[in-house]
Amino acid sequence: DADVTQTPRNRITKTGKRIMLECSQTKGHDRMYWYRQDPGLGLRLIYYSFDVKDINKGEISDGYSVSRQAQAKFSLSLESAIPNQTALYFCATSDTSWAGGGNEQFFGPGTRLTVL
Amino acid sequence: GNSVTQMEGPVTLSEEAFLTINCTYTATGYPSLFWYVQYPGEGLQLLLKATKADDKGSNKGFEATYRKETTSFHLEKGSVQVSDSAVYFCALSDRSSSNTGKLIFGQGTTLQVKP
Repeated sequence: DADVTQTPRNRITKTGKRIMLECSQTKGHDRMYWYRQDPGLGLRLIYYSFDVKDINKGEISDGYSVSRQAQAKFSLSLESAIPNQTALYFCATSDTSWAGGGNEQFFGPGTRLTVL
Repeated sequence: GNSVTQMEGPVTLSEEAFLTINCTYTATGYPSLFWYVQYPGEGLQLLLKATKADDKGSNKGFEATYRKETTSFHLEKGSVQVSDSAVYFCALSDRSSSNTGKLIFGQGTTLQVKP
């Protein structure tokens, strides 16, 4: 079974709709991240969380919100989707230790979101 | 601020050719450096990493050396295979006092290997 799972894998929606993307992990990691990937731009950080009570904005948080329901679950919401939020979204996890060279992140398979 | 710059793709090679994908970075302090690979339809997975100057990361025939003097971490492979076709991302993690663990990614380089 995959360590980091994302649902749905694909979603097509319309402008103005509320959308939730979900991420679950079985790695036991405290840290979780949401990225979006756009062609030619690499991955950009939307939000990150160090534990259930610690949530932080990334570089492109406008238009997004998150919820850390448990150590293993981290959801990303688009309150009112717009076409330029069409992208590939990735969830990732990491542990808190620098042992072994630090902060490798483990990624889910991604959610392809299209906003019409 | 911290940043990562990769060579633009796509890179198209014939099987068994030598591969170099250039990566340079800007960072304060001493970051850790990573190469991630994304195969079609999948998420990113760690390919190799290096945590201090002159370290060489290696995996699956790929290598990269952390060069502090040139702020580079170029990815190389001596003989590519069709199965290496993927998008490759260079990334850094800044070991600042806040230790957020955030990764900063380059824009990605698409590699296509033809038989």
